[in-house]
Amino acid sequence: DVKVTQSSRYLVKRTGEKVFLECVQDMDHENMFWYRQDPGLGLRLIYFSYDVKMKEKGDIPEGYSVSREKKERFSLILESASTNQTSMYLCASKIPAGDRASTDTQYFGPGTRLTVL
Amino acid sequence: GENVEQHPSTLSVQEGDSAVIKCTYSDSASNYFPWYKQELGKRPQLIIDIRSNVGEKKDQRIAVTLNKTAKHFSLHITETQPEDSAVYFCAASRRVSNFGNEKLTFGTGTRLTIIP
Repeated sequence: DVKVTQSSRYLVKRTGEKVFLECVQDMDHENMFWYRQDPGLGLRLIYFSYDVKMKEKGDIPEGYSVSREKKERFSLILESASTNQTSMYLCASKIPAGDRASTDTQYFGPGTRLTVL
Repeated sequence: GENVEQHPSTLSVQEGDSAVIKCTYSDSASNYFPWYKQELGKRPQLIIDIRSNVGEKKDQRIAVTLNKTAKHFSLHITETQPEDSAVYFCAASRRVSNFGNEKLTFGTGTRLTIIP
């Protein structure tokens, strides 16, 4: 059973703080993703990573960066948190599409609700 | 890039009736269309998906249809039950690199409420 965990369920930070959101998966998945979820806007892709040390910008990367030093861990970094980054952040992982075992299913973590004051 | 539109944003259905949620996409190269269900306070989970080489797929009470020419796909839930109440997201994707990896573009979601 795939398990994707996120470091915090709820987080409150102040404007200007540096924020780290951590995601860990235990299924040896190469692909990992960070989304933010806002009412009426659905799930929007911030960054994704094909493999260790690799990263690609998603649709809304501004104000965010990521780190993938180990295969199982994908970190989202808010260099200087702002109030418009208050949101639910969801991490996901999957097997690459080129892998014989791939089903293209993305497995999501439980989410981190971040509030920036 | 890809743009996915989803309608309606909210849907209330009497228990036992059918529910239909519709999505359109813009990128004709998209070839994979999953549907995710997110119950209140929980993570999104895949419930069904369809690839561009088929027009319809069924799994018990849920089905998805795809019209490639019109670039739209729909989720159909029959004999709805209270546990079907959730937010449903459609998505579309295409290969984005030589590695063949796919990123998903999601619709804005439909909040389905089943009225007992």
